[in-house]
Amino acid sequence: NAGVTQTPKFRVLKTGQSMTLLCAQDMNHEYMYWYRQDPGMGLRLIHYSVGEGTTAKGEVPDGYNVSRLKKQNFLLGLESAAPSQTSVYFCASSSPPGGHWNYGYTFGSGTRLTVV
Amino acid sequence: AQTVTQSQPEMSVQEAETVTLSCTYDTSENNYYLFWYKQPPSRQMILVIRQEAYKQQNATENRFSVNFQKAAKSFSLKISDSQLGDTAMYFCAFMKPFSEGNMLTFGGGTRLMVKP
Repeated sequence: NAGVTQTPKFRVLKTGQSMTLLCAQDMNHEYMYWYRQDPGMGLRLIHYSVGEGTTAKGEVPDGYNVSRLKKQNFLLGLESAAPSQTSVYFCASSSPPGGHWNYGYTFGSGTRLTVV
Repeated sequence: AQTVTQSQPEMSVQEAETVTLSCTYDTSENNYYLFWYKQPPSRQMILVIRQEAYKQQNATENRFSVNFQKAAKSFSLKISDSQLGDTAMYFCAFMKPFSEGNMLTFGGGTRLMVKP
């Protein structure tokens, strides 16, 4: 089925360790996003990309880096994990907004990350 | 920056009854989109309904409808004939299209419990 795939689904890191979350979409979407979800705060944008080779900062970018070397993939990296980065991470993709009746983001199923 | 507020952290409703979830937002923009997303216990984010600000007619999708009050900056979601499968977190979200990567700004969410 077409959609957004995130790997891994769960991960436990020790403080100071690094890791990369992978997001892949097969809908040929131009736009891709990384959000984090924390209780009571909804989802907050970390970084986004408007096309292959481009990235931009969102609302909460500190401590994260991203890359989009291929159109279908968007990687989120944590160089030195901190307990404050314990969260659920969502990747999403979309086409440009417009009049299509079903416009909206397509989300992955999320990654639960715990930093101890 | 836009802000989205959901003032009801938790709500409950009896099966087959109607419930309304509240959402207010703050923006100086005139052209924007508003969304409601559902997040069931599976953690998947599912688009429920979308409203374009330039449309005066309230959006409807089967049992889901919105009351969009542009001047009051209010965007409530009405769920009719509630079903057990409607039990989920519901997030209201704002987007200014073709700006800042079409990022979504989310409210903090409302947890809805449908009781048998």
